[in-house]
Amino acid sequence: DVQLVESGGGLVNPGGSLRLSCAVSGFTFSDYNMDWVRQAPGKGLEWVSSISTQSGRISYADSVQGRFTISRDNAQNSLYLHMDSLRAEDTAVYYCARVVETAEPYYFDYWGQGTLVTVSS
Amino acid sequence: SYDLTQPASVSVSPGQTARITCFGDALPKQYAYWYQQKAGQAPSLFIFKDSERPSGIPERFSGSSSGTTVTLTISGVQAEDEADYYCQSADISGSTLFGGGTKLTVL
Repeated sequence: DVQLVESGGGLVNPGGSLRLSCAVSGFTFSDYNMDWVRQAPGKGLEWVSSISTQSGRISYADSVQGRFTISRDNAQNSLYLHMDSLRAEDTAVYYCARVVETAEPYYFDYWGQGTLVTVSS
Repeated sequence: SYDLTQPASVSVSPGQTARITCFGDALPKQYAYWYQQKAGQAPSLFIFKDSERPSGIPERFSGSSSGTTVTLTISGVQAEDEADYYCQSADISGSTLFGGGTKLTVL
């Protein structure tokens, strides 16, 4: 079975840093682009970042550009999101999601359960 | 900026038909997708490429597209269908975009 398991969330002070991880199993990780999507408490879904299979193509939402860094380790079947200069508005559940590119635009067929990041002093 | 616009809420009685719309100027040229999210859970794909259903999704869920509007239709709504529903497509730069979400209440 396909599984995506996020970890690394927690409480962090404004201006602080945090690294999220997403461990995957049940499929060939290196065959798939991967994304991070977040959801602020009581709010809707917001796309955060995307990374291609060999990390050659990376993109970010304007709201996190310059502060967040997405990466992956195909040997470890893991996706990461390093978050710097965190702000209160970054408080959200962060989901990793597997990308399906058989259509335009792409979409997500599997999601992790999410990890909560709370930015507060 | 480009948006996908959904109604905030839709309410129906059990057995009735619920229709959730998603409006976006680029939708005539791009596919749309629908996700169901129940309270405390991750989103789950329910419709892809406007109208196709992944395996395991009940037949009462269907999708359609007409011009700038895509519609998720749930026929014979059941109590278990109560959830938030999100449409997804992309903006003009190709970045993934979600609608604001629609809370479906089964009365």
